[in-house]
Amino acid sequence: ETGVTQSPTHLIKTRGQQVTLRCSSQSGHNTVSWYQQALGQGPQFIFQYYREEENGRGNFPPRFSGLQFPNYSSELNVNALELDDSALYLCASTTDLVADTQYFGPGTRLTVL
Amino acid sequence: GQQLNQSPQSMFIQEGEDVSMNCTSSSIFNTWLWYKQDPGEGPVLLIALYKAGELTSNGRLTAQFGITRKDSFLNISASIPSDVGIYFCAGLINAGGTSYGKLTFGQGTILTVHP
Repeated sequence: ETGVTQSPTHLIKTRGQQVTLRCSSQSGHNTVSWYQQALGQGPQFIFQYYREEENGRGNFPPRFSGLQFPNYSSELNVNALELDDSALYLCASTTDLVADTQYFGPGTRLTVL
Repeated sequence: GQQLNQSPQSMFIQEGEDVSMNCTSSSIFNTWLWYKQDPGEGPVLLIALYKAGELTSNGRLTAQFGITRKDSFLNISASIPSDVGIYFCAGLINAGGTSYGKLTFGQGTILTVHP
C-alpha cells in the first residue's frame, strides 16, 4: 500500500479522442512523475511536476500534458490519441525533486481502438 | 534515449533455488534501483544502491552497484512462490543542472517459481 491512487483503473478510447487520467498522492508529496508502460516493457518517463510546475520531460510529444494541484492530486492529459498510446500509465510521487524513493500507484490501463 | 539492458528476459525455477539477474547500461548512473511489479500493481522498490561497488541486502535479496557505475545485479536466494513477478532495474541520474528524478527502467525479468 503506497498511498498513491489512480483513476480510472481501465479506460477504452478511440483514435483521435482526448483522455484525462488522475492521480492522488500522499499528503506532503510535492513531486509527481508520470510513466508510460507498454505491454512487456519497462516504464518510460513522460514528465515530472514539482510544486505545480513541469520540471523535466522525457521523449514524449506536446500532446502529452499535465497538471498538478495544491491538494497533491495531478492529471495526465493526452490529446489526439493514437493506437500506440495504448499502455499502462503510472504515476509516482515523492517528497523530493530527485528522490530515489518514488511511490507508484497501480496505474490506469488505457486501450485506444 | 538511454536504455538499460536487463537479462535474462524470463526465468523458470524451482522453489528453493537461487536467482540472479543483471542490468547493463551504456551510460553512468548515480543511483541504481531494483523494483518488483505484480499484476495490476505499480512497481515497488526493493533495493536502492548509491555508491559504486556497494553491496546491499534486503532479506533474501542482495544487489550490487557495479564499479563502472554502468551495471548492477540482483540475487534472490532460496526462492519462494511469492517471489513470482516482474523485476525491473532502474537508473537515476542527478546530472549538472538537471535536477529531477527521471528513472530509466530496464525491460524487466519475468520470474516464475514452481512449487
